[in-house]
Order: sequence, then structure tokens, then C-alpha cells
Amino acid sequence: AQSVSQHNHHVILSEAASLELGCNYSYGGTVNLFWYVQYPGQHLQLLLKYFSGDPLVKGIKGFEAEFIKSKFSFNLRKPSVQWSDTAEYFCAVNAYSSASKIIFGSGTRLSIRP
Amino acid sequence: DTGVSQDPRHKITKRGQNVTFRCDPISEHNRLYWYRQTLGQGPEFLTYFQNEAQLEKSRLLSDRFSAERPKGSFSTLEIQRTEQGDSAMYLCASSLSPGEGGYNEQFFGPGTRLTVL
Repeated sequence: AQSVSQHNHHVILSEAASLELGCNYSYGGTVNLFWYVQYPGQHLQLLLKYFSGDPLVKGIKGFEAEFIKSKFSFNLRKPSVQWSDTAEYFCAVNAYSSASKIIFGSGTRLSIRP
Repeated sequence: DTGVSQDPRHKITKRGQNVTFRCDPISEHNRLYWYRQTLGQGPEFLTYFQNEAQLEKSRLLSDRFSAERPKGSFSTLEIQRTEQGDSAMYLCASSLSPGEGGYNEQFFGPGTRLTVL
């Protein structure tokens, strides 16, 4: 069965600090990988996705993620965070053979000190 | 607003009562998904429809839960004989049929927060 692990439950950073949120997934086949973000009081929205090709993918608002197949990882990064990045971040996986459900991690709450 | 909408946004009910939630997807989307999210967890897949056909159901979807999408547009999720463990946020998402990579972006609604007393 597929699963996603996010090891950081709550991360607190100061503005301009660099961010890296860890994500590991468990699935032996071909996967699509995602990071979703939920800003306070808003819907879940897609931050970035990986299907194939360049393992370094860029998303909205300066975020990027790197797919390392050998480590089953898809870590999210941002070189300099802003207060507006305060949100909950979810890593997710979709098995290529199952073009339907997304399996989400438990989320990482990011708090940015102004 | 042409996004996914859900109604009601909040529902408080007593244990044993039945509740029904509605989801209106983005109009051109033929796929509709239901997820459940409990506190401190990510969303968990419950079921999905392609047009009016329910194509997959999670084992999380006990026989007290039923979902319909009768005309391939809006969907309802009914929970019968609610239990306190059903308290959660129920999320709806919609998408087009899979494209590149066997996937198409799912757009999420605001959710219905259910509290069972």
C-alpha cells in the first residue's frame, strides 16, 4: 500500500530563513508526486507536482522540490521564506497505475515569525 | 466563483442522526472525489466518480456511508447513524479525466466540518 511520511509536524522559522520540508513515500512503482498548501482559512491548493523528467520541479511562490528516486523522497525547499508562507503543507503521492486517489501525508505546519 | 463549492460548511449533529453533504464541482470536470480529514492528519481518500459512475471506494467508506452523483454533476455524501468518530472535515475535489502522467489536477472545495455530539 502507498503511504507518505512527513517527519516535521511543526516548523517555526524567521523571515528570510531557508526552508526544507521532508517527505518520503512508500510505493514500488511509478508515482506522481505533489505538494499541496493550505493557507489559513483557505482551500487546499496545488503548490507543485512531479510527473517525469527533470527531478527538480519549480512551483508557485518560489517553491521547488527535488525527487530523489533512490531515497523515495520529494523534499520541498524555498531559499527565503516570507511571513505569508505561514500555512500547512501536505506532501502527496498518486500511483501511476491508479489515476484517481491521492495519498496525503499528515502535513507540516509552517509558522513564520515576522 | 467557479471553484468547487460545498454545503453546508459546518454541521453539528447528535450521535445516531443522519447527515447529508453536497458538493458542486467545477462545471466542466467529469471526476469528483470525496476525502475525509481529521485533526492533525492529511486528507484520506473515500471515493470517486467519473461522471455518474462510482469507480472506487475506500475501505474507510463503511456501509453507513453512501455517495451519489446522479446526473454526473453535483454529488451528495450521506452518513447514516452518525458516530462520534465520524467527526471530521469532509472535502470534495474535482478534476478532468487523467491527462499527462495519468493524472489531472484535483481542485479542492472548502470542506464541510462535521461535529457529532
